[in-house]
Amino acid sequence: QLQLQESGPGLVKPSETLSLTCTVSGGSISSDIYYCDWIRQPPGKGLEWIGSIYYTGNTYSNPSLKSRVTISVDTSKSQFSLRLSSVTAADTAVYFCARRNIAVAGAEDSWGQGTLVTVSS
Amino acid sequence: SYVLTQPPSVSVAPGQTARITCGGNSIGSKTVHWYQQKPGQAPVLVVYNDSDRPSGIPERFSGSNSGNTATLTISRVEAGDEADFYCQVWDSTSDHYVFGTGTKVTVL
Repeated sequence: QLQLQESGPGLVKPSETLSLTCTVSGGSISSDIYYCDWIRQPPGKGLEWIGSIYYTGNTYSNPSLKSRVTISVDTSKSQFSLRLSSVTAADTAVYFCARRNIAVAGAEDSWGQGTLVTVSS
Repeated sequence: SYVLTQPPSVSVAPGQTARITCGGNSIGSKTVHWYQQKPGQAPVLVVYNDSDRPSGIPERFSGSNSGNTATLTISRVEAGDEADFYCQVWDSTSDHYVFGTGTKVTVL
């Protein structure tokens, strides 16, 4: 069964860069039917799609975050990563990684449990 | 940017039917996915491609999409269905996914 696990610092200082990694086990991300996505959810609020990467390295980002977002993939390690620069308190959220599957019309059919990142000095 | 509007809350008695709407400009021309999120948990896909169900999702969950409104219908509601629900579409004008504002379903 496919599992995704987010990892990274739970506390980041304002103006610094948030870095998270998603490790995938029990399945592959090196396929032409999968994308690797990042989604976040501020405490008590709704979901916000951050961006996505294809195994070829092609990326897509939310226009509201695009200038600060970098997503990368290491298929040899079954990992993909998120970097969000110049963070502020508004970036405090639970960050989820997810697999997007073309076989289900591009929906995110597998999710990590999420990791809370707090931006504070 | 494309906007998806959902009612903040829907209340329903056990055994009845809950309908959650997702409004967007010409959403009927887009593909809609629906997710269920229980407190402290990751979202779970319950309907994809407007009306298809992933394996393991009960037939009580169904979806439709036409005009400016997509709808998730939960039949014979159970206490365990209580959760937040989000719709999602791909905004092709700027190549990114958009989530709806979310609806909290309360089982009375």
